[in-house]
Amino acid sequence: SQTIHQWPATLVQPVGSPLSLECTVEGTSNPNLYWYRQAAGRGLQLLFYSVGIGQISSEVPQNLSASRPQDRQFILSSKKLLLSDSGFYLCAGTFRGGPYEQYFGPGTRLTVT
Amino acid sequence: KNEVEQSPQNLTAQEGEFITINCSYSVGISALHWLQQHPGGGIVSLFMLSSGKKKHGRLIATINIQEKHSSLHITASHPRDSAVYICAVWPGNQFYFGTGTSLTVIP
Repeated sequence: SQTIHQWPATLVQPVGSPLSLECTVEGTSNPNLYWYRQAAGRGLQLLFYSVGIGQISSEVPQNLSASRPQDRQFILSSKKLLLSDSGFYLCAGTFRGGPYEQYFGPGTRLTVT
Repeated sequence: KNEVEQSPQNLTAQEGEFITINCSYSVGISALHWLQQHPGGGIVSLFMLSSGKKKHGRLIATINIQEKHSSLHITASHPRDSAVYICAVWPGNQFYFGTGTSLTVIP
């Protein structure tokens, strides 16, 4: 079965430090992958999505970037974290096996201090 | 304007009570998900619905596609059910999420 893995589960980073969050997919190929962020008191907002290797679309301009170096790997990065980057980051995916193939990772809770 | 609205935002219940959380959405969808997020924890997928009703243990989820509305019910609630419950819809291009319902079940 398809599974989305994310790590780390929690992360505390100082302002100005770099960031790399990884999302990997198990059990299928060619997924569409999505990065979402949930700021305190708000719903999850789409940051990036990718339909394939090297293909990234950005929904919201911010201090973050995303990359898809492999079919089953989606990475969220920042060169210098801001306090406002704190939040819960979720990787989600849709798999082209049919309309019901949708999965969510467990998420990463990032605190920037 | 939010594509997905949940109610209530916060809910406190006594152990054993029947709980209902509502989700309304404004876009056409092919699937709706109910997710659970424990304090400090990650996301767990509870249900995916495209029509009708699903039941897992004490949890029941229903959806009315014509009315663009879904409900999550918890029967015989327990303190371990305390969590944030999030509704997410899939119109076909991306997920849209509600802001969540924070549930606290008191022993």
